[in-house]
Amino acid sequence: DAGVIQSPRHEVTEMGQEVTLRCKPISGHDYLFWYRQTMMRGLELLIYFNNNVPIDDSGMPEDRFSAKMPNASFSTLKIQPSEPRDSAVYFCASSWNLGKRIQYFGAGTRLSVL
Amino acid sequence: ELKVEQNPLFLSMQEGKNYTIYCNYSTTSDRLYWYRQDPGKSLESLFVLLSNGAVKQEGRLMASLDTKARLSTLHITAAVHDLSATYFCAVHQGAQKLVFGQGTRLTINP
Repeated sequence: DAGVIQSPRHEVTEMGQEVTLRCKPISGHDYLFWYRQTMMRGLELLIYFNNNVPIDDSGMPEDRFSAKMPNASFSTLKIQPSEPRDSAVYFCASSWNLGKRIQYFGAGTRLSVL
Repeated sequence: ELKVEQNPLFLSMQEGKNYTIYCNYSTTSDRLYWYRQDPGKSLESLFVLLSNGAVKQEGRLMASLDTKARLSTLHITAAVHDLSATYFCAVHQGAQKLVFGQGTRLTINP
């Protein structure tokens, strides 16, 4: 398996623009997570899905952030409008609800909002 | 609310030395994870600790779990430069949610 695949790897945009981050989880995994990592706040869970259904979005910072999972192999995290304080590395991770339940992380998307 | 605290947050050590990173958490949990992150890279799973007294070892790294003390340790033996990275512990909150510690940035100098 290719692992969790995220795109784009880098995104530079201007304040006020819409940003869409994409994630393809590991095939067969039933949980998908979106995290944000910054120097100041560390690694924060934004939202997670089980079988394509959002379970906990309490970490989503505000209404400008939204996430969807239309099918088992694809998820998006959208920021509209983007602000400079959204600059961070966004990670997607997936896991299987049996066994060790290890979360496998994608390579991340480094977002810079100017 | 589950809190996970690591110490130290920064650790600079010489090759060949031994050291331990500590991870304390505030509420009971059924499992604890250790991850490694290289600069500019993603997080890589190192260990999963599933029960009290669990010990896992790989190479120069050994992780242990004391659920009664709510403490996990990551011990580095005879450190080598390749182990320089940031190490995170993470604890389950509920069935699937992970709460991460702040990370320990480990630098190993020749």
